[in-house]
Amino acid sequence: GDSVTQKQGQVTLSEDDFLFINCTYSTTTYPTLFWYVQYPGQGPQLLLKVTTANNKGISRGFEATYDKGTTSFHLQKASVQESDSAVYFCAHTGGADRLTFGKGTQLIIQP
Amino acid sequence: GPKVLQIPSHQIIDMGQMVTLNCDPVSNHLYFYWYKQILGQQMEFLVNFYNGKVMEKSKLFKDQFSVERPDGSYFTLKIQPTALEDSAVYFCASSLAGGRAEQFFGPGTRLTVL
Repeated sequence: GDSVTQKQGQVTLSEDDFLFINCTYSTTTYPTLFWYVQYPGQGPQLLLKVTTANNKGISRGFEATYDKGTTSFHLQKASVQESDSAVYFCAHTGGADRLTFGKGTQLIIQP
Repeated sequence: GPKVLQIPSHQIIDMGQMVTLNCDPVSNHLYFYWYKQILGQQMEFLVNFYNGKVMEKSKLFKDQFSVERPDGSYFTLKIQPTALEDSAVYFCASSLAGGRAEQFFGPGTRLTVL
C-alpha cells in the first residue's frame, strides 16, 4: 500500500549548517510529492510540491528532487537559520485525493 | 496566505459522549478533508468531502464518525459515541481543486477522551 518513510525523528544543527532530511515513498500509482512544514501551534503549511519525476522543487532556500528511480524525495538546504526550526513532513498523494504522510522530522537549530 | 480555522482548539470529554469538531475552510475551496494524528505518530487520512458527499474514507473513519457541511457553514466531524482511542489531534484541510492540488490545513483540535 501507500506509505512514506522518514527515518529521522529529530535533526539538530547549528546555524549555517547543511540540512538533509531523508524521505522515501511507496505507492503503486504515480504520485505528486510534497514537503510540508509545521510551526508550533499551527497546521502544516506547504513548503514544496513536485508533480513530475526528475523535477526539483525549490522554495525559501529548500529543495527536493523527485527521484523515481530510488523513490526518494529528500529535503535539503545549504545553510539553515534558527527560524527554520519546525517539524517537516514528507507526503504524497498516491494518485488519489488524499495525502499520505511520513512521521515527521523535528528540526532543531541551535543559535 | 489562505487560512483554515478550527474550533475548539482543545476539547476534553468523557468516553461515550458526543463531540463535534468544527472547521471553517478557505472561503472559495470546494474539497474538504479530515486527518487524525495520535501523539508521536504520523498524520493519517480520515475522509474527504466534495459537493455535499463523502468521496472516500479510510478504515480509521469508523461508523461512529460522520461529516457534513450544511449550507456552506462549518465543515464538521462528529463522533458519537466517543471512545478512548479517539484521543488525538484532528486536522481539517481544504483545497480548491482536489486531487494533486495543495491542501491548506487548520491548526488542529486536540481531543482528549477520558
